Amino acid sequence: GQNIDQPTEMTATEGAIVQINCTYQTSGFNGLFWYQQHAGEAPTFLSYNVLDGLEEKGRFSSFLSRSKGYSYLLLKELQMKDSASYLCAVTDSNYQLIWGAGTKLIIKP
Amino acid sequence: DSGVTQTPKHLITATGQRVTLRCSPRSGDLSVYWYQQSLDQGLQFLIHYYNGEERAKGNILERFSAQQFPDLHSELNLSSLELGDSALYFCASSPYNSPLHFGNGTRLTVT
Repeated sequence: GQNIDQPTEMTATEGAIVQINCTYQTSGFNGLFWYQQHAGEAPTFLSYNVLDGLEEKGRFSSFLSRSKGYSYLLLKELQMKDSASYLCAVTDSNYQLIWGAGTKLIIKP
Repeated sequence: DSGVTQTPKHLITATGQRVTLRCSPRSGDLSVYWYQQSLDQGLQFLIHYYNGEERAKGNILERFSAQQFPDLHSELNLSSLELGDSALYFCASSPYNSPLHFGNGTRLTVT
């Protein structure tokens, strides 16, 4: 079956750095997405990786290793507004999106 | 603003009733996806349409149905509603194999 694993919850301190991991086992691979979702709101797109390596976008970076079925989202200089759920999603060989359950990130002052 | 419009924003109805949720995708997006999200749960994929044709079905109940019209807007019909159907229902649109853009959702409460 197809599966995406993420930690359920993480806690970090304002101003620090946090890394959220995502491992996947899917039928084929056509890209990996990271989304941010605040409670009760719609998910918003953060990053897209299709080739191995690091993609950097301001305070957020995303890394992909296709051979390991592994990605991480790195958040730097954490702010209170970064408290949210972070969703990892993979496009399989049929171009269908498989979603992880999300990681709830709690930022403490 | 994602450009995806969902109506209504809130819906309160009784068990056994039927409701229709509506979604207008971003201009030019041919794909429409429907998701259900119960409280503190992950996104559950319901169904995907591409240019009017059904492309994939997730864990969509037989009481639920959807369609995408020639103008690309989509409707999700939920019938014989149960308490457990209370959730946020999201619509998302995208060009093919591109990031999804989500609407603000319809919050359905079944009493």
